Amino acid sequence: DAKTTQPTSMDCAEGRAANLPCNHSTISGNEYVYWYRQIHSQGPQYIIHGLKNNETNEMASLIITEDRKSSTLILPHATLRDTAVYYCIVRVPRNNNNDMRFGAGTRLTVKP
Amino acid sequence: GAVVSQHPSWVICKSGTSVKIECRSLDFQATTMFWYRQFPKQSLMLMATSNEGSKATYEQGVEKDKFLINHASLTLSTLTVTSAHPEDSSFYICSANQNPGAGGYTFGSGTRLTVV
Repeated sequence: DAKTTQPTSMDCAEGRAANLPCNHSTISGNEYVYWYRQIHSQGPQYIIHGLKNNETNEMASLIITEDRKSSTLILPHATLRDTAVYYCIVRVPRNNNNDMRFGAGTRLTVKP
Repeated sequence: GAVVSQHPSWVICKSGTSVKIECRSLDFQATTMFWYRQFPKQSLMLMATSNEGSKATYEQGVEKDKFLINHASLTLSTLTVTSAHPEDSSFYICSANQNPGAGGYTFGSGTRLTVV
């Protein structure tokens, strides 16, 4: 699975959009981009995933560049409860026996 | 949506004893589940892949005799930390995928193990 690079930490003002970048320059054609977040002392929570098209759901938007070498997770109106570590993972959704491996992630702090 | 239940949420045990952690997929069947360990201020590290009806696959450096995994049914996997020591104190998390080859994985809420 391709490696990813994320900033160690970011701050965001409450109510503003949080834009979390992820570089995955070695991504291959059949690898998807997944985003998870982990609030302190909880299990990770799935946010969104995509292959090449931009995706949006009730939690966030995922913008993938045309060359697919980077992506941005957008939380449109960050709240204090969005403070968490955000993980960008690139992998091929193979068969069932396919693990999810985590990097260091970005620690997002939403401030009042 | 898919729910993975993990129990207990926290446990304190004495050094040398064994502790069992359960991971259940509540509304779907999971032939494969995954176990992670997370130390303070670190990321999740995959420990092993639990396969229903067969032996688990362990990551390099994880002692299979110390971390016993049993996946006896399509909805339950257990991790037993045997002869626990203080260095085994950690946050243990399981996960499963309701739709393999499709969307994201669902994670349990984690188990905080403290060995005293």
